[in-house]
Amino acid sequence: QKEVEQDPGPLSVPEGAIVSLNCTYSNSAFQYFMWYRQYSRKGPELLMYTYSSGNKEDGRFTAQVDKSSKYISLFIRDSQPSDSATYLCASHTGNQFYFGTGTSLTVIP
Amino acid sequence: EAGVAQSPRYKIIEKRQSVAFWCNPISGHATLYWYQQILGQGPKLLIQFQNNGVVDDSQLPKDRFSAERLKGVDSTLKIQPAKLEDSAVYLCASSLGQGSAFFGQGTRLTVV
Repeated sequence: QKEVEQDPGPLSVPEGAIVSLNCTYSNSAFQYFMWYRQYSRKGPELLMYTYSSGNKEDGRFTAQVDKSSKYISLFIRDSQPSDSATYLCASHTGNQFYFGTGTSLTVIP
Repeated sequence: EAGVAQSPRYKIIEKRQSVAFWCNPISGHATLYWYQQILGQGPKLLIQFQNNGVVDDSQLPKDRFSAERLKGVDSTLKIQPAKLEDSAVYLCASSLGQGSAFFGQGTRLTVV
């Protein structure tokens, strides 16, 4: 079992929709969780960084962690065509990072 | 604050040739990572440095891949000889040790 599992999609939504991206993880020791956005032919860009359970909001983006079910979510409100990218969830313990495979999102104008 | 710098951005080589990638991490970041990302997959860790020491190289194909970070700052990753399956994006990332990792733009390698 991989440390972090993510549905690869692809996911296609109309502009303005609410997008929900999800991951599960297996290691209950994970405390820190991240979402990266990766545009085509670019490196991953840190989008959200959260610690332990709960929600964190930044503009149109909300990251949610449910440690009881080992579930990580990223919600995008009022999605825009510029949100079209691959979204990677990740966790780390100390200096070791564990990545999901990424979910490809396309927002159609 | 300058980000993680990588070069070259793109490289095309023939199989059995050698290639080297360079990375300059964010200033002050002691931890440096090299990842391999194959199309449609998440990054796979190749090697992790803490300053100039290797922390984890368990997934580095040591018969053909090598990496060094001699002065604890910039790093090079080398492949010799390259195989077709080495075609991927090679990402360098750095972190302070606590907190998230920051990535460079990557080097896209095509082996023909």
